[in-house]
Amino acid sequence: TQLLEQSPQFLSIQEGENLTVYCNSSSVFSSLQWYRQEPGEGPVLLVTVVTGGEVKKLKRLTFQFGDARKDSSLHITAAQPGDTGLYLCAGRVGTYKYIFGTGTRLKVLA
Amino acid sequence: EAQVTQNPRYLITVTGKKLTVTCSQNMNHEYMSWYRQDPGLGLRQIYYSMNVEVTDKGDVPEGYKVSRKEKRNFPLILESPSPNQTSLYFCASRRPLDRGHTEAFFGQGTRLTVV
Repeated sequence: TQLLEQSPQFLSIQEGENLTVYCNSSSVFSSLQWYRQEPGEGPVLLVTVVTGGEVKKLKRLTFQFGDARKDSSLHITAAQPGDTGLYLCAGRVGTYKYIFGTGTRLKVLA
Repeated sequence: EAQVTQNPRYLITVTGKKLTVTCSQNMNHEYMSWYRQDPGLGLRQIYYSMNVEVTDKGDVPEGYKVSRKEKRNFPLILESPSPNQTSLYFCASRRPLDRGHTEAFFGQGTRLTVV
């Protein structure tokens, strides 16, 4: 069974701090996606990374796909309360099949 | 507005009483799926459908049924709910991106409690 482990599971930080969330697996994925889920809502796609070593930036969020395409990280610079939510990674294992990670719940305090 | 709509949002039921959670999408997506979300386990896929009348099991299909008679609708059926099916359920449809990747659009979720 392919698994995606995310760490940390919970993270509470002050506004303005930086943080990194990790998504790790022993399996290789053809691509990896990051989603953010806010309370009472479904996950919303943030980014898709495809190539090993690829780095994508979305404002203060930086996403990196590992060279071996087994892991990924999400770095947030100068976190804001609006970044609060559950962050999920999802690895593609088939045309429409994605395995979701265990999730990182982030709380940014004002 | 492009969206996936689930109903109901909240449901409390008793063990063994059949229930259906509806899901409808207005984006003409061929692919739809159901997930359950449990603390520490992320999202696990229950069933998926590649198109009308084409469905298949996901990772945790036991105790669930689905049907896809129309492209826009993909209901989830629990014939005899049990307490271990208490969970947060999400319906999703996927649209193609470039290079064969897809983006999932999720409904707002259905919180089901089976007592």
